Amino acid sequence: ELKVEQNPLFLSMQEGKNYTIYCNYSTTSDRLYWYRQDPGKSLESLFVLLSNGAVKQEGRLMASLDTKARLSTLHITAAVHDLSATYFCAVLNAGGTSYGKLTFGQGTILTVHP
Amino acid sequence: DAGITQSPRHKVTETGTPVTLRCHQTENHRYMYWYRQDPGHGLRLIHYSYGVKDTDKGEVSDGYSVSRSKTEDFLLTLESATSSQTSVYFCAAQERGLAGGRGYNEQFFGPGTRLTVL
Repeated sequence: ELKVEQNPLFLSMQEGKNYTIYCNYSTTSDRLYWYRQDPGKSLESLFVLLSNGAVKQEGRLMASLDTKARLSTLHITAAVHDLSATYFCAVLNAGGTSYGKLTFGQGTILTVHP
Repeated sequence: DAGITQSPRHKVTETGTPVTLRCHQTENHRYMYWYRQDPGHGLRLIHYSYGVKDTDKGEVSDGYSVSRSKTEDFLLTLESATSSQTSVYFCAAQERGLAGGRGYNEQFFGPGTRLTVL
């Protein structure tokens, strides 16, 4: 059974600081997704990481994937208040099918304060 | 996105009553999913569909059933609601399979339904 664990679950950051959210998963997968959720809202796709060594960047966020370590990171550079949200990683569980299913981490609640 | 809407957006019901949540998408996506979101658990898959009339169970399917008679609609039914089913329910859709190939296939999510069972 695929298990996905994020840490930390709560992250309080000062504006301007850097930090990293970690996503570990328990079985082999070569595809990982990062989503953002604002309070009371739906999930918004941030990154799709397709292979080992993949790195994607958008603004102050950078995501990477190490399939051998079964680890993805979401790095935040010079945090700003607008980044306050809950961030989820989700790992593809193909299960021998072509469509696959996603298993989500618990989510990291990020708060950026002055 | 896949033009996904969910109805109702909010519902309060009593224990033991049947409840049906509707997910509607306008993009003709083949695959649809129902998740529930609870604090500390992220999103957990309830049921999914890989085509009209083709559905299967996810990790937390007990107490739930689904139906998909048309591509655009995916219904989630709680036959007899319990307080443990109080949650926020999200529907998702995707055009193609996530596995295989190198496509950036993604799941797109609806706005969610907040269900309270008293």
